[in-house]
Amino acid sequence: DAGVTQSPTHLIKTRGQQVTLRCSPKSGHDTVSWYQQALGQGPQFIFQYYEEEERQRGNFPDRFSGHQFPNYSSELNVNALLLGDSALYLCASSPRSAGELFFGEGSRLTVL
Amino acid sequence: SQKIEQNSEALNIQEGKTATLTCNYTNYSPAYLQWYRQDPGRGPVFLLLIRENEKEKRKERLKVTFDTTLKQSLFHITASQPADSATYLCALRNTGGFKTIFGAGTRLFVKA
Repeated sequence: DAGVTQSPTHLIKTRGQQVTLRCSPKSGHDTVSWYQQALGQGPQFIFQYYEEEERQRGNFPDRFSGHQFPNYSSELNVNALLLGDSALYLCASSPRSAGELFFGEGSRLTVL
Repeated sequence: SQKIEQNSEALNIQEGKTATLTCNYTNYSPAYLQWYRQDPGRGPVFLLLIRENEKEKRKERLKVTFDTTLKQSLFHITASQPADSATYLCALRNTGGFKTIFGAGTRLFVKA
């Protein structure tokens, strides 16, 4: 049983560009959350998707948007990249009512 | 404002000793509190969850306590091993909420 898979694992972009990160949840999980983790910090909640809708959002600008597909996979899009967007982006899945999160290994984004 | 605080200083202990990590929170009413382990460059891995009506939870060499009056959780690793060296993250989810919020983590080093 595959766990949470994320792609790409590493990518480099320049300021102003746009990026799309992808996530496939663990089998049987219908809820996907996205986090941004800067070096030396804890994961910061971006948003959560359930039933293809954004259910809750953290304190991130509208440049950060997402989508969930009928098969529960999800995408995170970031527009107009800034240097400060450089971070590890983590996807976590969970069954609807469960508390624990299952994380992927992350996508390391570097913005130059 | 809402805060989750973990010791920012690294914890250095000798192999075989008990490691104790602290998590304090303010202005939250958590339905439950969780602990995760994170190795460098990897996604967090779920360890334990404790609910608001539970005082203590154990799993093998791990023990978590939860004091909602003190607004504090303690995480213990008994008979610590060098393989336990990692960053440990405290996380909580508010009653009625969907997002899980993380602390900045405490780095643990276990010396042989």
